[in-house]
This record gives sequence, C-alpha cells and structure tokens, in this order.
Amino acid sequence: EAQVTQNPRYLITVTGKKLTVTCSQNMNHEYMSWYRQDPGLGLRQIYYSMNVEVTDKGDVPEGYKVSRKEKRNFPLILESPSPNQTSLYFCASIAGEGEQYFGPGTRLTVT
Amino acid sequence: AQKITQTQPGMFVQEKEAVTLDCTYDTSDPSYGLFWYKQPSSGEMIFLIYQGSYDQQNATEGRYSLNFQKARKSANLVISASQLGDSAMYFCAMREVYTGNQFYFGTGTSLTVIP
Repeated sequence: EAQVTQNPRYLITVTGKKLTVTCSQNMNHEYMSWYRQDPGLGLRQIYYSMNVEVTDKGDVPEGYKVSRKEKRNFPLILESPSPNQTSLYFCASIAGEGEQYFGPGTRLTVT
Repeated sequence: AQKITQTQPGMFVQEKEAVTLDCTYDTSDPSYGLFWYKQPSSGEMIFLIYQGSYDQQNATEGRYSLNFQKARKSANLVISASQLGDSAMYFCAMREVYTGNQFYFGTGTSLTVIP
C-alpha cells in the first residue's frame, strides 16, 4: 500500500528542547516536502527536496532543518523549538505532475 | 502578493446540488500545475484533481471538475451532486515548475452540505 508515515503523531515539548519528526514514503518519489498548517493561513511549505542530498527552502524555513540522506526518508528537525512553532505539520511525497501524498500529520505543541 | 487566493471562507450547499469553490492564482511562470485538496474534519489531506497550465481541456474526476480560465487566472472547483460526506475544508494549490518547483496553498474554503 502506498503511504507516507510520520512520527510522532502528537508531541508536547518545551521551548529549546531539540526534536525530530520523521517522515518516510514507500513510493520511490524523488520530491518530498514539509508543510505547516495554521488556522486561517492554509498550508505553508517549510522545506522541500527534489532528490537525495538536495533540499530547498520554502516560504517559512526559519527555525527548521531537514536532511535527505536517502530517498525514502525526509526528517524535519527543530533544533530549538519555540512556542510560535506550535502547529500541525504535514509531510508529503510528490508524484510526477505534483499530486501530493500526505502523511497523517503531526500536532506539535511547544510550551 | 498572494500566490493563491480563496475568497470564500465558508460555503453552504444543499445536498444533491452543485457548488463552485473559487480560486485565483498569481504566477509569471509559463508552466504550472493547479490542484485541489480536501481536508475532512479527521485532518487528512486528500488529493482531488489536477490541471496543468498547458492542458486545453478542463480536468474532471468523477463529481469533481476544475473550471480553468487561464486568462482570468482562475481555477474553480465544481462539485456536482453534493453529498454529506463532501463537508470539509477545500484547499487550492499551485506548483510553479520553472521557478523553483515550490507549492503554494490558499487559505481554504469550509464547505458544509446541508441535508
């Protein structure tokens, strides 16, 4: 079954404590992406990767890091989380023309 | 300027009626793709339909069709014969192919289908 998995699904943490949200896809897609969803703002692209070892900033990259060491995995790293990074995060794996397969989402709360 | 604009925060439609959700876009990229996604209250994002900028015909997928008017830079979603299960948030999105391959999403329209 084609799928994108994200872990954890829910996370409550404190300001400054480094965290990683994992993302994995089994569709052999080259393009993967991270988004954050906030009420009234829709989805905003944080980082994306067109291939292994290739990453690019989206619209809201500040405070985030990513890596793409292998095609299937695209982790999102928050080195020093702050309360304004409280959000719903989606990882997506993108097929040829741009159809996106989204993970189930990670709801992050930073206190 | 906003890349994707959805001007209808909320819409209501009677069951079995058709509804149009508006989307306008702004790009100077000659090649781009337009997409619609559905987000039910459960939270997952579901791909509905795609239209390429060079496609001559409007895209259709079952009860969904995309009314693509290139000169007006609009990509409205038409849902025919609405069902209660269509109640959800709907997001319009665009991919600019030549200028970086980024994706841009609108702020969404909340659709409620009334029985």
